[in-house]
Amino acid sequence: SQTIHQWPATLVQPVGSPLSLECTVEGTSNPNLYWYRQAAGRGLQLLFYSVGIGQISSEVPQNLSASRPQDRQFILSSKKLLLSDSGFYLCACSLGGHTEAFFGQGTRLTVV
Amino acid sequence: DAKTTQPPSMDCAEGRAANLPCNHSTISGNEYVYWYRQIHSQGPQYIIHGLKNNETNEMASLIITEDRKSSTLILPHATLRDTAVYYCIVRGVSSASKIIFGSGTRLSIRP
Repeated sequence: SQTIHQWPATLVQPVGSPLSLECTVEGTSNPNLYWYRQAAGRGLQLLFYSVGIGQISSEVPQNLSASRPQDRQFILSSKKLLLSDSGFYLCACSLGGHTEAFFGQGTRLTVV
Repeated sequence: DAKTTQPPSMDCAEGRAANLPCNHSTISGNEYVYWYRQIHSQGPQYIIHGLKNNETNEMASLIITEDRKSSTLILPHATLRDTAVYYCIVRGVSSASKIIFGSGTRLSIRP
């Protein structure tokens, strides 16, 4: 089965600094990849999803961007972080069709 | 927007069956019902999914009404470790199908 690696587990960054979160997937090829954000005490908000290399769909206008340079690599970036970018960021993968999604363990980002 | 509605919270006594409802009245014919749960500060965990027949696995049972407009997740013998937020999701079979989470149900298991 798929394994998703996310790092770091926690991150504290100052306002205005850049961000790069990486997600890599093992155990499958051609996955659909997803980035979610979860604010404290809230549900999961879909930020980006990708069905292939270089194919990114953005769900919510925001201060973030995503890229998929390789089949099993998904990167979430920001040029200048805002306080409102704080949250729990989760990467997920799915093979599409009627298959379940697998989630990484997440990165807890605090912007100070 | 999420296509499902769930009660915000429920509680259940340890050892009893926990029955979590979900409404998905606008579900399309090719959309599956999925259930995930999220234990505090962890990534969501897949539980079960189904199309129209009832399903059972080692974790839970899924009962889908005949008109497919609602479903119930059943945890047959709830334990304290089942305390989590449970999400019901509908999702199509297209490879480009998005996975949209609603607010979920916060299930508390009392000793």
